[in-house]
Amino acid sequence: KNQVEQSPQSLIILEGKNCTLQCNYTVSPFSNLRWYKQDTGRGPVSLTIMTFSENTKSNGRYTATLDADTKQSSLHITASQLSDSASYICVVSKPTGNQFYFGTGTSLTVIP
Amino acid sequence: KAGVTQTPRYLIKTRGQQVTLSCSPISGHRSVSWYQQTPGQGLQFLFEYFSETQRNKGNFPGRFSGRQFSNSRSEMNVSTLELGDSALYLCASSFEGNGYTFGSGTRLTVV
Repeated sequence: KNQVEQSPQSLIILEGKNCTLQCNYTVSPFSNLRWYKQDTGRGPVSLTIMTFSENTKSNGRYTATLDADTKQSSLHITASQLSDSASYICVVSKPTGNQFYFGTGTSLTVIP
Repeated sequence: KAGVTQTPRYLIKTRGQQVTLSCSPISGHRSVSWYQQTPGQGLQFLFEYFSETQRNKGNFPGRFSGRQFSNSRSEMNVSTLELGDSALYLCASSFEGNGYTFGSGTRLTVV
């Protein structure tokens, strides 16, 4: 069964600290993996996209890693800011048929 | 270029009514997908339209329907609304499967 699981479900950290969010998937065959950031009441916005051959992709303070062998990805946020408070969603896609599989997200709260 | 536009942003309906939501994709994007998002369920796939044809469909009852016009704009309709239909409805467009760009969503409240 094609599934995407994210952990933790929610996370609270102090401003300035780092954190790491996890995404494990069983989707096969695999095409790419995206991390989205979703602010409350808004649509998700793409942060990074990684294909099978990519291990790391950065976007400012966001760094995503991918281990296609173990089917695991992580999103590392460095020097967190209050504006990082949002839900982070992992999405895995197959090569054909425009099939996308969504994780249920990690809710991150950054407190001053 | 303009992003994905969803209207209206907020909507309040009573049980039993029907509702129509609209989505205008990014220019040149022919694929439009609809999602329901609730706090406990995350993003749930409703259906996808490509060139005016429904290409994929999720596990939602027949009360949920959609269509796509020749200009790629899409509408989603929910008939006989239930309290459980209260959610954020997101539309996303894509170009040949190269990931999604989401709209800001329509917040539907059923009372």
